[in-house]
Amino acid sequence: AQSVTQPDIHITVSEGASLELRCNYSYGATPYLFWYVQSPGQGLQLLLKYFSGDTLVQGIKGFEAEFKRSQSSFNLRKPSVHWSDAAEYFCAVGERNTGKLIFGQGTTLQVKP
Amino acid sequence: EAEVAQSPRYKITEKSQAVAFWCDPISGHATLYWYRQILGQGPELLVQFQDESVVDDSQLPKDRFSAERLKGVDSTLKIQPAELGDSAMYLCASSLALGSSTDTQYFGPGTRLTVL
Repeated sequence: AQSVTQPDIHITVSEGASLELRCNYSYGATPYLFWYVQSPGQGLQLLLKYFSGDTLVQGIKGFEAEFKRSQSSFNLRKPSVHWSDAAEYFCAVGERNTGKLIFGQGTTLQVKP
Repeated sequence: EAEVAQSPRYKITEKSQAVAFWCDPISGHATLYWYRQILGQGPELLVQFQDESVVDDSQLPKDRFSAERLKGVDSTLKIQPAELGDSAMYLCASSLALGSSTDTQYFGPGTRLTVL
């Protein structure tokens, strides 16, 4: 069965430091992969997505993610974190035929001044 | 910029009462999704509509939950009777085309339900 694991429930980084959020997936075929961000009390906003091609994907707000098939991973990175990046981040895999998204449990990012 | 609208934003109810949530997707979006997000977890799909038809409701607790999208535009999710375990954020999302993962799903702000 398809699944997504985000190993880190909570991460704290200092403003200006680099960030990497981990995501591992289980999917039978080549996956469609997504990262969403959710600010407190808000809905989800798409940061980036991977369908095929270049395994390094650029997204909004300076985020990027790298698809590594051999590791079944799709980690999210940002070179320099801003205080406004504090939020909850969700990795998801999309079922090809239905569009259904299967989400990980999320990683809460706290940014220290 | 077009957005998915949801109401109410917050709902407090007592167990055994009926509650209803409304979602208005982005104009022209054929696919509509309802997700439930329990605190500390990722969203889980409850029901997916393609126009007015249900595509997937396998995770919808049908003894108490119902969903409709009568004219293929806006949608209502109902819970009757509500139980304590139903406390969660209910998110609506829409996408342009038929059930394709290559289409971006746009999420509304959600309805936060608290059952007392």
